[in-house]
Amino acid sequence: EAGVAQSPRYKIIEKRQSVAFWCNPISGHATLYWYQQILGQGPKLLIQFQNNGVVDDSQLPKDRFSAERLKGVDSTLKIQPAKLEDSAVYLCASSLVGLAGERRDFGPGTRLLVL
Amino acid sequence: GQQLNQSPQSMFIQEGEDVSMNCTSSSIFNTWLWYKQEPGEGPVLLIALYKAGELTSNGRLTAQFGITRKDSFLNISASIPSDVGIYFCAGPLSNSGGYQKVTFGTGTKLQVIP
Repeated sequence: EAGVAQSPRYKIIEKRQSVAFWCNPISGHATLYWYQQILGQGPKLLIQFQNNGVVDDSQLPKDRFSAERLKGVDSTLKIQPAKLEDSAVYLCASSLVGLAGERRDFGPGTRLLVL
Repeated sequence: GQQLNQSPQSMFIQEGEDVSMNCTSSSIFNTWLWYKQEPGEGPVLLIALYKAGELTSNGRLTAQFGITRKDSFLNISASIPSDVGIYFCAGPLSNSGGYQKVTFGTGTKLQVIP
């Protein structure tokens, strides 16, 4: 079974530039998550999709971050414009139906450095 | 917001030693999850606990759901070099949509000296 795919793996940009990350979840997984993991911290949920609908985006900085999951499969996360404090690993995860105790499969992450 | 505090923050141990770490919360949880994250990778689920007092093993790993439901413990027996990584506890919180958001702890970084 193929895992969660993310691209790019690394990205370096200057502040005020824009950046986009892509995620392809495990086939058949209805729930998709984007997490932000700052160095030395645990992952923090940014947004959770159930199929192509948003069920939680309470911690997404909506003035600069946006995400979509067209057709309920792939997803993109965009930052526009980026700030220095956005430097982090952005992890995408998926699960079958979205239950809390359910196994979440994580992708390898995209490492973003904002200069 | 909700915080899960893990201790110790980091530890260096000799290969073959046993390891213990814990996770505490100010809120009651109905599920506790333990993940391991290796360098350059996403977290991988190790053990899930669903009932207070539950003790569950996965190979050399054993996790317990505390009876107060506000804490959980992870033990690794006879550590080996590939146990190196960051161990996160995680627990669910209900969000406004009725779905449950999983909150991650602060992590315990484990280094094993061969």
